Amino acid sequence: AIQLTQSPSSLSASVGDRVTITCRASQGISSALAWYQQKPGKAPKLLIYDASSLESGVPSRFSGSGSGTDFTLTISSLQPEDFATYYCQQLATFGQGTKVEIK
Amino acid sequence: QVQLVQSGAEVKKPGASVKVSCKASGYTFTGYYMHWVRQAPGQGLEWMGWINPNSGGTNYAQKFQGRVTMTRDTSISTAYMELSRLRSDDTAVYYCARERPGTVTTALEVWGQGTLVTVSS
Repeated sequence: AIQLTQSPSSLSASVGDRVTITCRASQGISSALAWYQQKPGKAPKLLIYDASSLESGVPSRFSGSGSGTDFTLTISSLQPEDFATYYCQQLATFGQGTKVEIK
Repeated sequence: QVQLVQSGAEVKKPGASVKVSCKASGYTFTGYYMHWVRQAPGQGLEWMGWINPNSGGTNYAQKFQGRVTMTRDTSISTAYMELSRLRSDDTAVYYCARERPGTVTTALEVWGQGTLVTVSS
């Protein structure tokens, strides 16, 4: 089974910072990757699908890139509402999550 | 608007079964695969499987094979997830989620609010 490894597991950042989260697959998965945002007590929210396609309604400060085994989620200018946990997903596998906290 | 509304919290004893429902509205229920994902307290997301509401076909994660059953009732646009032989480590929030069509990967675009299942003696 494919494994997804996210890094870092957590990070502290300030409003306005550029934030990058990485997801590495244990084998090549082409562009078959999605990214989600989850806030405490809430269901996950789809941000990016097919590695780089922005879900409708998601702010353009979010972007995804990568193919094969290495993928990134970038938040170009962190906003207060972006403090959350982020997960990558490929089919039946989720990464372990990256918690973005306020510095 | 498109929404998924799940049944309420459950408390079960070890060895029992639980059946969680997920009622869809605002779209054609049979047109989209439905997935189930769970999240143990303080932990990450775990995919359990999907059901094709049109055909009733299912695909379960190997971990849950033999313990999980996903069904649907198209007359009331509702999907169900039943988990049997519950253990304490099945304590989690269980989500249903609709798959986004037309993508290379599995992308879950609409989620239910989650159902907390607590397994405790």
